This record gives sequence, structure tokens and C-alpha cells, in this order.
Amino acid sequence: QVHLVESGGGVVQPGRSLRLSCAASAFIFSDFGMHWVRQAPGKGLEWVASIAYDGTNEEYADSVKGRFIISRDNNQNTLHLEMNSLRAEDTAVYYCARDRARHLVSSIFDYWGQGTLVTVSS
Amino acid sequence: ENVLTQSPATLSLSPGERATLSCRASRSISTYLAWYQQKPGQAPRLLIYDASNRATGIPARFSGSGSGTDFTLTISSLEPEDFAVYYCQQRSSWPPFFGGGTKVEIK
Repeated sequence: QVHLVESGGGVVQPGRSLRLSCAASAFIFSDFGMHWVRQAPGKGLEWVASIAYDGTNEEYADSVKGRFIISRDNNQNTLHLEMNSLRAEDTAVYYCARDRARHLVSSIFDYWGQGTLVTVSS
Repeated sequence: ENVLTQSPATLSLSPGERATLSCRASRSISTYLAWYQQKPGQAPRLLIYDASNRATGIPARFSGSGSGTDFTLTISSLEPEDFAVYYCQQRSSWPPFFGGGTKVEIK
């Protein structure tokens, strides 16, 4: 059974940085694109970033472009999200999600982690 | 800018009843639409992709239909575990984005 476990969330001051991780297991991680999707408290879902299966292509939502960096370590089966210059509006539960397609980004999110809460507050 | 509008915002039904949820796109998205279910405190779960394909392990009572701008998620007979929030999501244009959600609550 595909398993995704996020970590690294917490409370951080505005302007500071935080790094999220997502540990993947029970599938060939290096075959699949991966995504981060977030959900502000009581709100809907917002796609944040995606990375190709081999790490060669990254895409970002306009709301985080230039501040967030998505990366992956296919040897360690781990996805990361480096979040810089954090703002109050970045407060959300951050989910990592697997792309359904092998070797391309379909933007169908077929498996999700349980999420990690990031709170940006002074 | 393409927008996904879900209706109704809240659907109050009893177990055993049929649920019909709507998702309307402001521009055609062919059949590039997915549906997700989210229960309180849980991650979303993929139900339907490309408008009408059930994801792995999804019960047959869930079905999706539509193309272009109008889409429907139907739950043929509500089970107690189906009361949740449902989101549609388009992947026709970049970036992918979600509708605002429909809450299915117990009447």
C-alpha cells in the first residue's frame, strides 16, 4: 500500500524559513511525479508545486514562486519543500501527493500523505 | 481565468438517498476533471479521474459524468461513511486547481 508521511511542520515567524519532507514507501518513488498541495484552516485545496519523476522539471503556483523550492532525493525516496520568506497566508496543512501517471505529470493526485501543519505567526 | 464552481455548497441528505453534486467550469476542460473526498481531519482521497473513471478501490456507488463545462458526481445510495466534503479539480490547463467544495451532511 502506497505510504506517504510528511514531517517538518511547526510554528515559524514571518520572513523565516522551514523545510518540509515527505517519506515515500511501497512504490517505486523514482517512477512518479510528486506534488505539494496545501489547505489553509477551514478552506479549500490549493496546489503548490510539482516535480517530475526524475527531478528535471519543477512547477510552482504563482503564490509561492520565487519563495518555495521543491526537490526530491530518489535514493532516499524523499520529497522536500523548502519554504522561504514565509508569510501569514502560507499558514496551512501541507500535503504531499503522488501523481497517478508514471514518468510524466498528469496532475491527478492518487495518493496523499496525512499532512503537516505550518503556522506562520509572530 | 478558468474557475470551477461547485454546487450546492451544502447537501443535506439521509443515508440511503442519492447524492448529486455539480461542478461547473467557466471554460471547457474536456474530461480533465477529478473528484476527491475529504473527511474531517483526513487527507483528500481520489474518487474519480478524467470525469468518469473510478480510482483504485472506490466503491461502485460513486460515479462521475460530464464533459466540457458541466460535471456531476453521483453517489447512488449514501453510506454513513460518505458524509464528507467533495472537491472537483481540473487538469486541463496549468496550474491544476480545485473547486470550492460541496459538503454532504446528514439530514
